[in-house]
Amino acid sequence: GQNIDQPTEMTATEGAIVQINCTYQTSGFNGLFWYQQHAGEAPTFLSYNVLDGLEEKGRFSSFLSRSKGYSYLLLKELQMKDSASYLCAVSLYTGGFKTIFGAGTRLFVKA
Amino acid sequence: SQTIHQWPATLVQPVGSPLSLECTVEGTSNPNLYWYRQAAGRGLQLLFYSVGIGQISSEVPQNLSASRPQDRQFILSSKKLLLSDSGFYLCAWSVIIWEIPHYEQYFGPGTRLTVT
Repeated sequence: GQNIDQPTEMTATEGAIVQINCTYQTSGFNGLFWYQQHAGEAPTFLSYNVLDGLEEKGRFSSFLSRSKGYSYLLLKELQMKDSASYLCAVSLYTGGFKTIFGAGTRLFVKA
Repeated sequence: SQTIHQWPATLVQPVGSPLSLECTVEGTSNPNLYWYRQAAGRGLQLLFYSVGIGQISSEVPQNLSASRPQDRQFILSSKKLLLSDSGFYLCAWSVIIWEIPHYEQYFGPGTRLTVT
């Protein structure tokens, strides 16, 4: 079966760095997404990794290791507005593209 | 630019009543379209996806159905709602990026359904 695991909740301090981990076991892997979802809102796209390594985009970076089935999202210089759920999602190709989502990690940023 | 619309934004329906949620996409043609449900505190569950008019794939057996009567219109329906159908329903469309074959997926604003 397809499985994605990520921590349920994390707390960090404003200005700090936080790393949100995601592990997956899937077949037909075609890349890994990270989405941000504020309470009551739709998810918004943050990043996509298909090759191993680190992709940096401003304060956010995403890392992928396909051999380990592992990814992380790194948030630097945390701001209060970063308080949200972060969804790890795996893109699969099994004759057509589709995405399966982890349950999400709720991040609380405190002053 | 592409935009995706969903309505209504919120809905309260009694058990056993019918349901119709609509999603439309602007600014693109022949998009892949998706319906997801997110129960409170849970992850996104893929319900249906469609690669073209009249083409629907169901991911989870349930009392919901989907239809795609037009290229940029995707409808989620039920004849009789259950309490367990409560949740946040999200429509999404995807675009294929051929440089590194993958797709990116963008979500509509969602419909919050409460079945009472």
